[in-house]
Amino acid sequence: KQEVTQIPAALSVPEGENLVLNCSFTDSAIYNLQWFRQDPGKGLTSLLLIQSSQREQTSGRLNASLDKSSGRSTLYIAASQPGDSATYLCAAEAAGNKLTFGGGTRVLVKP
Amino acid sequence: NAGVTQTPKFRILKIGQSMTLQCAQDMNHNYMYWYRQDPGMGLKLIYYSVGAGITDKGEVPNGYNVSRSTTEDFPLRLELAAPSQTSVYFCASSPLAQSSYEQYFGPGTRLTVT
Repeated sequence: KQEVTQIPAALSVPEGENLVLNCSFTDSAIYNLQWFRQDPGKGLTSLLLIQSSQREQTSGRLNASLDKSSGRSTLYIAASQPGDSATYLCAAEAAGNKLTFGGGTRVLVKP
Repeated sequence: NAGVTQTPKFRILKIGQSMTLQCAQDMNHNYMYWYRQDPGMGLKLIYYSVGAGITDKGEVPNGYNVSRSTTEDFPLRLELAAPSQTSVYFCASSPLAQSSYEQYFGPGTRLTVT
């Protein structure tokens, strides 16, 4: 059974600092790894999707890496802004588009 | 496109009551999903559907039922509400099962059972 873990559960940084969010998974037989953002009381917004054949994916200030052999993915957010404050969730996809989610990392960027 | 819509946004149920959470998508996606999210936790898959007329259990299906009579709609039914079903429920959809496709989420339904 796939288990996905995100450490730390919460993170607070001053504005401008780079953010590094970690995600680990136990079963390396995944189709892809997705990173989501969740604002309080809202649904999930997909940020990046890394296919199992890829090592990384980039979108603006966001960069996500994937190392299947070690069961790890990392989301980097460059030059953080207060608007980046949210909970970030990673999810590993198995057959049938079924996602297994981590518990999330709650990020606070202080102005 | 409205994307994925869910109704109601909030609901309070008494123990033993029943209700249906509605979910609809207008993107012609084949795959639809129901998740629950408990406070401070990630999402857990309740049920999913790969197309009209086809449904299957996820990780935590007990106490729930689903149906998929059309491509657009995927309602979730709670027959005998229990306090353990207090949670936020999210519906999601995606195109045909290929690894490059994202899942699109609705805004969620916050359910309290007392």
